[in-house]
Amino acid sequence: DTAVSQTPKYLVTQMGNDKSIKCEQNLGHDTMYWYKQDSKKFLKIMFSYNNKELIINETVPNRFSPKSPDKAHLNLHINSLELGDSAVYFCASSQTFTSTDTQYFGPGTRLTVL
Amino acid sequence: AQSVAQPEDQVNVAEGNPLTVKCTYSVSGNPYLFWYVQYPNRGLQFLLKYITGDNLVKGSYGFEAEFNKSQTSFHLKKPSALVSDSALYFCAVRDGSGAGSYQLTFGKGTKLSVIP
Repeated sequence: DTAVSQTPKYLVTQMGNDKSIKCEQNLGHDTMYWYKQDSKKFLKIMFSYNNKELIINETVPNRFSPKSPDKAHLNLHINSLELGDSAVYFCASSQTFTSTDTQYFGPGTRLTVL
Repeated sequence: AQSVAQPEDQVNVAEGNPLTVKCTYSVSGNPYLFWYVQYPNRGLQFLLKYITGDNLVKGSYGFEAEFNKSQTSFHLKKPSALVSDSALYFCAVRDGSGAGSYQLTFGKGTKLSVIP
């Protein structure tokens, strides 16, 4: 009964390809997030959706496009992959987007761009 | 803008000894503070948080953290370290004033190594 799940766990692809990462949460939460963790383990928010609506969109190249078909899913599509996109991508969710709410993280997707 | 500093990249402690992982923060409003742990090749697991009230917060796996408003710190502690505590620890902050409060800002992480 995984709370926040991501697929795939590993993704190896060539530069220029398009790929997607899927995220699902079964916690009944309203808010979901995508984070990027770089090679130095630094974590940075990319996007946040609340009830399928975008509420945070950090300075991320427009090659990255999140899509939320329903509030339990937040997928990340990446066009024209570049070497610098190699990282671990984490999905997270929280009950609401209220500041006090705890965010719960998925296991991560390690993306390697060759 | 909100920020978090974890001044130590690595902390080494002998098994059975007390451990402290340091965190200081900067926000314009009330701070909401969180600690997470990341084991190798795993996602982040929530340990504890401070929102309001008692400055000493108790969390999972015997960890606790002390909120100190005057020193703007939220250090993570455990009375007796276990080898299994070896992991990467992240401190994070959200600004309760509403300015940028949607964002959870993370420190760069501290690698804890517990030596048998």
